[in-house]
Amino acid sequence: KNQVEQSPQSLIILEGKNCTLQCNYTVSPFSNLRWYKQDTGRGPVSLTIMTFSENTKSNGRYTATLDADTKQSSLHITASQLSDSASYICVVSEGTGRRALTFGSGTRLQVQP
Amino acid sequence: DAGITQSPRYKITETGRQVTLMCHQTWSHSYMFWYRQDLGHGLRLIYYSAAADITDKGEVPDGYVVSRSKTENFPLTLESATRSQTSVYFCASSDQTRTTDNEQFFGPGTRLTVL
Repeated sequence: KNQVEQSPQSLIILEGKNCTLQCNYTVSPFSNLRWYKQDTGRGPVSLTIMTFSENTKSNGRYTATLDADTKQSSLHITASQLSDSASYICVVSEGTGRRALTFGSGTRLQVQP
Repeated sequence: DAGITQSPRYKITETGRQVTLMCHQTWSHSYMFWYRQDLGHGLRLIYYSAAADITDKGEVPDGYVVSRSKTENFPLTLESATRSQTSVYFCASSDQTRTTDNEQFFGPGTRLTVL
């Protein structure tokens, strides 16, 4: 069964500090991996997408990495801000016709002043 | 307004009642999806639709019914609500005509409480 595991489940950091969130997956065949940010009371919004051939991609203070050999991804947040407080969800797409998605349960990040 | 909207945003109902959650998108995306989100679980797919009049079951379809008579609308009905259906429900849409990018765009969610 396809699975996506995220760690840690929750994280508290001080404003200005960096953090790294982890995602391990067993989805096969693989198409792409996407990180979503979900603010409290809102729907998830895509931050970045990684395909098989990409191993690093940045979006402002967010940098995602992908190791397709070990089936691991990370999301690094630099110089955190209060607005980064949210849940971060790792989503992996199958490389099949329907490209079904498997969702991780998310990492809840709280940035404190 | 452009985008994807859900209504109502909050709903309280009683066990056994029928409830319909609405979803509307303005992008003419072919695919639409319904998910539920519960603590400790990732988003779980209830039903999806590849086009008008085409629907299919997801991971947790029991107790739910969908229809899609128009491309832009995808209502989800709980025929006889149960307490276990208390959850936050998200609708999403996607333009999956592109070969590599199947980003799903999510609505704001409906928080449903079944007493």
